[in-house]
Amino acid sequence: EVQLLESGGGLVQPGGSLRLSCSASGFSFSNYIMTWVRQAPGKGLEWVSSISGSGLSRYYADSVKARFTISRDNSKNTMYLQLKSLRADDTAVYFCARLGRRPSEGWFNGWGQGTLVSVSS
Amino acid sequence: EIVMTQSPATLSVSPGERVTLSCRASQSITSSLAWYQQRPGQAPKLLIYGASIRATGVPARFSGSGSGTEFTLTINSLQSEDFALYYCQQYNNWPPLTFGGGTKVEIK
Repeated sequence: EVQLLESGGGLVQPGGSLRLSCSASGFSFSNYIMTWVRQAPGKGLEWVSSISGSGLSRYYADSVKARFTISRDNSKNTMYLQLKSLRADDTAVYFCARLGRRPSEGWFNGWGQGTLVSVSS
Repeated sequence: EIVMTQSPATLSVSPGERVTLSCRASQSITSSLAWYQQRPGQAPKLLIYGASIRATGVPARFSGSGSGTEFTLTINSLQSEDFALYYCQQYNNWPPLTFGGGTKVEIK
């Protein structure tokens, strides 16, 4: 069974930084593309960033490019999202989610419970 | 970027009824479409991928159809646990992966 557990969310001031973690179990972590998806309060789902199984390929939404950095440590079955220069519109629940082994398998088959990031002074 | 548009925004239905949710892509995405269900306070759950393939464990009352730019999710005989938000998502051409705005299925 795919299990994903996010941590690291919290309240941060505008311009601040935060690092989110996603611990994975129940599958061969290094074989899968992993992704962060966020959901602002009362809003829909927004893709944020994805990273290939090897970690060599990384993709970002334009809204977070140059401010967020995705990474993974396959030895620890963990993915990270470093958030910098945070803005009020980054306030959201951040979900960790698993894609497939290849980009053509671009559906999310496994989600964490989410971690809330609140950006406010 | 491929824009996904869902309609209607809200559907008011009675338990036991059949409902059809629509999703339209701004350009052809062949069959690279997934549907998700999200209950309040929970993470989304995969229902359908490949436009019409039910994910493991998803009841047969859920079915997906369509290709190109027009897609539908049909739920036969709505159960109480089916009242939720539903999102479509394209993965034909990414990044970015894009979602529709969602359809809320509420009790009439």
